Amino acid sequence: EVQLVESGGGLVRPGGSLRLSCVASGFTFSTYNMHWVRQAPGKGLEWVSSISGTSTYIYYADSVKGRFTVSRDNAKNSLYLQMNSLRAGDTAVYYCARAFSGGLPGYWGQGTLVTVSS
Amino acid sequence: QSVLTQPPSASGTPGQRVTISCSGSSSNIGSKTVNWYQQLPGTAPKLLIFSNSQRPSGVPDRFSGSKSGTSASLAISGLQSEDEADYYCASWDVNLNGPVFGGGTKLTVL
Repeated sequence: EVQLVESGGGLVRPGGSLRLSCVASGFTFSTYNMHWVRQAPGKGLEWVSSISGTSTYIYYADSVKGRFTVSRDNAKNSLYLQMNSLRAGDTAVYYCARAFSGGLPGYWGQGTLVTVSS
Repeated sequence: QSVLTQPPSASGTPGQRVTISCSGSSSNIGSKTVNWYQQLPGTAPKLLIFSNSQRPSGVPDRFSGSKSGTSASLAISGLQSEDEADYYCASWDVNLNGPVFGGGTKLTVL
């Protein structure tokens, strides 16, 4: 059974940093592209970043480019999102998701809440 | 503003058939496949339809998807109260090099 468990969310002041983690199990982690997708309170889903299985390909949404960094450690079956220069608009539940068909998210974690506020 | 366009709301009575549309462009739906997700209140999204019309195991055949040109649609037949949820479409965008989502459609079962 595919499982994705995020952690690292919390309350942070504007301009601060936070590192999210996602531990995967139930599949061969290194062979799948992974995504971070966020959802602001009461809003829809917004893609944040994607990383290929070997970290060769990395992409970011314009809204986070230059501030967020995605990485993975295949030996630890873990995905990370380093978030710097956080803004109020980054407040959201952050989901990690495994690619399924067509590269799109298929399996989702339960999410971790990031709140940026003074 | 979402890249893919969905109606913000839809509704139906138990047993009815409802459809939800999703409109995109040549850089996403027009050239790539579409997924649909169901999000129940307070939970993570769940894959409902992949590759335009395929259902993952465990998803009832009351749910069906289709795609034509730069648009896609999700149909739910035999509507049930437990279908009340938010529904999102998604497709890969070749210009953004990432998935794009619709704004979501809140389905109400009257």
